[in-house]
Amino acid sequence: SQKIEQNSEALNIQEGKTATLTCNYTNYSPAYLQWYRQDPGRGPVFLLLIRENEKEKRKERLKVTFDTTLKQSLFHITASQPADSATYLCALDEGSSNTGKLIFGQGTTLQVKP
Amino acid sequence: DGGITQSPKYLFRKEGQNVTLSCEQNLNHDAMYWYRQDPGQGLRLIYYSQIVNDFQKGDIAEGYSVSREKKESFPLTVTSAQKNPTAFYLCASSMQGASYNEQFFGPGTRLTVL
Repeated sequence: SQKIEQNSEALNIQEGKTATLTCNYTNYSPAYLQWYRQDPGRGPVFLLLIRENEKEKRKERLKVTFDTTLKQSLFHITASQPADSATYLCALDEGSSNTGKLIFGQGTTLQVKP
Repeated sequence: DGGITQSPKYLFRKEGQNVTLSCEQNLNHDAMYWYRQDPGQGLRLIYYSQIVNDFQKGDIAEGYSVSREKKESFPLTVTSAQKNPTAFYLCASSMQGASYNEQFFGPGTRLTVL
């Protein structure tokens, strides 16, 4: 069955450092991968989308990589700030049809300490 | 302001009762989605609709029902057949039901069964 795994343990880093979050998947080949941010008690907010034929995507302090051979995406936040503290979710399409259906990972909680 | 609204924010239900969660969007999006989120878990798809008057079951549709009579509205009914309905429910929409479209989420409804 299709499976997505993100770091289940919270990631604690010092302000100013680079945070790196991992998203691994098995048993399918998505064409698109998305990253969302979710604050406690709120709905997720879209951050970035990367296509299978793109190695890397950047937006301000954010960088996403997509390695279809390793079946892995890495999400980087450079010069991290306490305001970056949140849960980050990766989501992938099913790969078999372009229906808009996304499969979400369980999320990784990032805590940036001042 | 354009966006998605969900109501109520908190909902308490007695066992055996049906309840309906509201979701409205004024983004003129074709596709709408309902997810369920349990503590420490990712989002799981309940139902989705790519166009008015049409909807499909997601991964955990049992015990739920939806309608899509208007483009801007996608209400979710949690029936008494849903065995464990206590959860955080999120509604989302996207421009089209395509996997390269980002999803916009509402603020969520927290349902508690007493």
